[in-house]
Amino acid sequence: DAGVIQSPRHEVTEMGQEVTLRCKPISGHNSLFWYRQTMMRGLELLIYFNNNVPIDDSGMPEDRFSAKMPNASFSTLKIQPSEPRDSAVYFCASQNPSGGLTDTQYFGPGTRLTVL
Amino acid sequence: AQSVTQLDSQVPVFEEAPVELRCNYSSSVSVYLFWYVQYPNQGLQLLLKYLSGSTLVKGINGFEAEFNKSQTSFHLRKPSVHISDTAEYFCAVRKAGTALIFGKGTTLSVSS
Repeated sequence: DAGVIQSPRHEVTEMGQEVTLRCKPISGHNSLFWYRQTMMRGLELLIYFNNNVPIDDSGMPEDRFSAKMPNASFSTLKIQPSEPRDSAVYFCASQNPSGGLTDTQYFGPGTRLTVL
Repeated sequence: AQSVTQLDSQVPVFEEAPVELRCNYSSSVSVYLFWYVQYPNQGLQLLLKYLSGSTLVKGINGFEAEFNKSQTSFHLRKPSVHISDTAEYFCAVRKAGTALIFGKGTTLSVSS
């Protein structure tokens, strides 16, 4: 299996622009998570989906952030408009449905976002 | 609410020395505990996890961790580190109905 795939790996944009980050989970995994990693705040959960349905989006910073999972093999995280404080590494992770709570999350390589 | 505290932000050690990375958690209910490792410019990878049973958990790359309920700790250990163990290590906790909560991470730097 190719693992969790994220694109792009690096994104540099200017303040005010729309940014879309993409994630393809491991085939057969039905839970998907979006995390943000910064030096100041560490690794934070933004949102997670079960069976394509958002379960907990309490970590989404504000209305500028939105996430979708139109099908089991694809998810997007969008920031509109972007701001310099959004600069971070964004990780996507997926999880096998059979293990439930205790099963392992598999992380993608991350997208490093820089907003100028 | 749950929280995870990694007591050391940076741990420098020499190659072949033993190492312990400390993690404490706070939760009023039973939780599951995890250690993840992040190598430079990569995503996180599971090292080991404690679900139930034996309090000593063995993971990949020679790492192990011990769950101590009375001290609410889950410290990670390795008896002899290698240069290749240089990475950031994250302790995480999870309980029913929630996603993982991560600590701030500990940077392990192994030098020769």
